[in-house]
Amino acid sequence: AQSVSQHNHHVILSEAASLELGCNYSYGGTVNLFWYVQYPGQHLQLLLKYFSGDPLVKGIKGFEAEFIKSKFSFNLRKPSVQWSDTAEYFCAASDPTAGSYQLTFGKGTKLSVIP
Amino acid sequence: GAGVSQTPSNKVTEKGKYVELRCDPISGHTALYWYRQSLGQGPEFLIYFQGTSAADDSGLPNDRFFAVRPEGSVSTLKIQRTERGDSAVYLCASSLEGSSGETQYFGPGTRLLVL
Repeated sequence: AQSVSQHNHHVILSEAASLELGCNYSYGGTVNLFWYVQYPGQHLQLLLKYFSGDPLVKGIKGFEAEFIKSKFSFNLRKPSVQWSDTAEYFCAASDPTAGSYQLTFGKGTKLSVIP
Repeated sequence: GAGVSQTPSNKVTEKGKYVELRCDPISGHTALYWYRQSLGQGPEFLIYFQGTSAADDSGLPNDRFFAVRPEGSVSTLKIQRTERGDSAVYLCASSLEGSSGETQYFGPGTRLLVL
């Protein structure tokens, strides 16, 4: 079965530290990849997505992610985090050959940024 | 413009009761998805509608769960004979066409608690 793994359950960083959140997927063929963020008290919103082309994807608020096919990875990065980045981050994947393009999510990584 | 809305925001019910959860997607979006998010987990796919049709219901856990979208806009998720294990946040998402790589926009969710 298709699956998405996020290995970090909770990450704590000081402001201005660099961030990298891991995401691995188990799809065998082509794949669409997403990072969603859920700020405290808010709903899930898209940070960035990859479905073709340049494997380095830039999203909102200074986030980026790199699709590395050989490693089945789509790690999220930000060079310098801010307190306002405190949130839960979800990696998700979908099969572009399937009819419904349903998202398969990882368990999420909670990021706490200390001022 | 208005985003995806869901009602009620919270629902408390007793084991064995019937509940209905409502989703109002973004206007003009033909694709609608239901997900369920249990504590400490990422959202899990339940069902996908394309217009009025349930195009993929492979994620529904059993026949106690049913969803409709009779006019291709508002959708209702129905749960019969609720069990304590049904307690979760039920998320609705919509997208413009339901095509590959398309962004799914999520609502705030309905938090269901079965006592």
